[in-house]
Amino acid sequence: KAGVTQTPRYLIKTRGQQVTLSCSPISGHRSVSWYQQTPGQGLQFLFEYFSETQRNKGNFPGRFSGRQFSNSRSEMNVSTLELGDSALYLCASRPGQGNDEQYFGPGTRLTVT
Amino acid sequence: GQSLEQPSEVTAVEGAIVQINCTYQTSGFYGLSWYQQHDGGAPTFLSYNALDGLEETGRFSSFLSRSDSYGYLLLQELQMKDSASYFCAVGGAGNMLTFGGGTRLMVKP
Repeated sequence: KAGVTQTPRYLIKTRGQQVTLSCSPISGHRSVSWYQQTPGQGLQFLFEYFSETQRNKGNFPGRFSGRQFSNSRSEMNVSTLELGDSALYLCASRPGQGNDEQYFGPGTRLTVT
Repeated sequence: GQSLEQPSEVTAVEGAIVQINCTYQTSGFYGLSWYQQHDGGAPTFLSYNALDGLEETGRFSSFLSRSDSYGYLLLQELQMKDSASYFCAVGGAGNMLTFGGGTRLMVKP
């Protein structure tokens, strides 16, 4: 099976712009979670989708949003970018609703200038 | 909320055994996981403990004590390729994983 894929892998944006990141989970996986990783804050949970429904959201401002499509692919959007949004954004998928193994994609490295 | 504490850095020599501890405080507990991340790479799953005790997977073992809110990852027969960051993570409601700050393991020859 192909792993989790994320596009784009690298992105440079300017403050105030918006960005959309894409994640394709492993085939058959219905749960997709998003994480932000920075040197200062570590790995932080953004949100999780299961069967097109957002089931949980981390402590991030409303500028961060996401959605999941019927084929389980997911997108996350960040509007009005700030310098502090520069981070590695990781997507992870799992087949069901358990709290065990998650499969991470390679991430999208976002740089905001 | 949930918080996890783990050492920021550990150094060991090739062939040795190293233990990385993780203590947590949670409002709801759905298991303790461990992930490995090499520089520039994505986290990869190592182990998961939902119940107390030891889980063994090859050279890696993970232990959980729910009464002590404590777990550890044990790496045996260390190899240079084990140099990486190791994260413990607690599962919460809605498949939310809360990660510790990570332990950077340096394996020296």
